[in-house]
Amino acid sequence: DADVTQTPRNRITKTGKRIMLECSQTKGHDRMYWYRQDPGLGLRLIYYSFDVKDINKGEISDGYSVSRQAQAKFSLSLESAIPNQTALYFCATSRSGRASEQFFGPGTRLTVL
Amino acid sequence: LAKTTQPISMDSYEGQEVNITCSHNNIATNDYITWYQQFPSQGPRFIIQGYKTKVTNEVASLFIPADRKSSTLSLPRVSLSDTAVYYCLVGDAARQLTFGSGTQLTVLP
Repeated sequence: DADVTQTPRNRITKTGKRIMLECSQTKGHDRMYWYRQDPGLGLRLIYYSFDVKDINKGEISDGYSVSRQAQAKFSLSLESAIPNQTALYFCATSRSGRASEQFFGPGTRLTVL
Repeated sequence: LAKTTQPISMDSYEGQEVNITCSHNNIATNDYITWYQQFPSQGPRFIIQGYKTKVTNEVASLFIPADRKSSTLSLPRVSLSDTAVYYCLVGDAARQLTFGSGTQLTVLP
C-alpha cells in the first residue's frame, strides 16, 4: 500500500464550485504539505503544516484553505474554483527536523471548467 | 530564501555520466542541498542530500565545493529510464520548499 495517498486522483469541476482534495499518510510523519504544479513548471507551495496545530501559508495560498484533521490527514479546499486553478496537486510529508526528505503522493489532476 | 539556478535542459546518451550543476550564491550557513527527480505526472522523488564536500549513495553522487555556492549532481552511466526533471533545493526545514523549474534531462539511445 502507498504511504501517501490522495483522493480523488482526477476531478473535473465547474467554476464557482467548492472542491476538497484529501491526503492521508501512514508514514507517521508530523509534517505535511500541499503543492500545485502547472504544465512545464516546478512545484509551488500552497500550505504546509508542521503538526496538527501548526498551519502556515505558502507561496500561493490565495483561493485555498486547508484542514489538518489528524496527524495523518491534511485536506486542501478550493472555496470557489476558478479555471486558473486547473493544475496537478501534490501532497507530501516529512519527518520533523532540518532539511528532512519529503515523500510525495501520486497527485490529483484537477480541471476547472 | 536561497535562489537556485539550473540549466533548463540537458541531453545525454545511454551509458554516459551526467553532471547537473546548480548555483546557489546566497546559501545560508544552516542550509542543506537536496536533489529530487520527477517523472511526468508523478510526485518528485528524493535522490540525495548533502551539506558539504561529497556525498554518494546507490544512485548518485553530490559534489559541493568548499564555498558551497554551487553543487553538482552526478548520475553514473545513465539509462533511458533516467529521463526526468531534476530539481535542486537549498534550505532547511520550512525554507527548503521552493522547487524552481528544474533541469529536464533527456537520455538518448
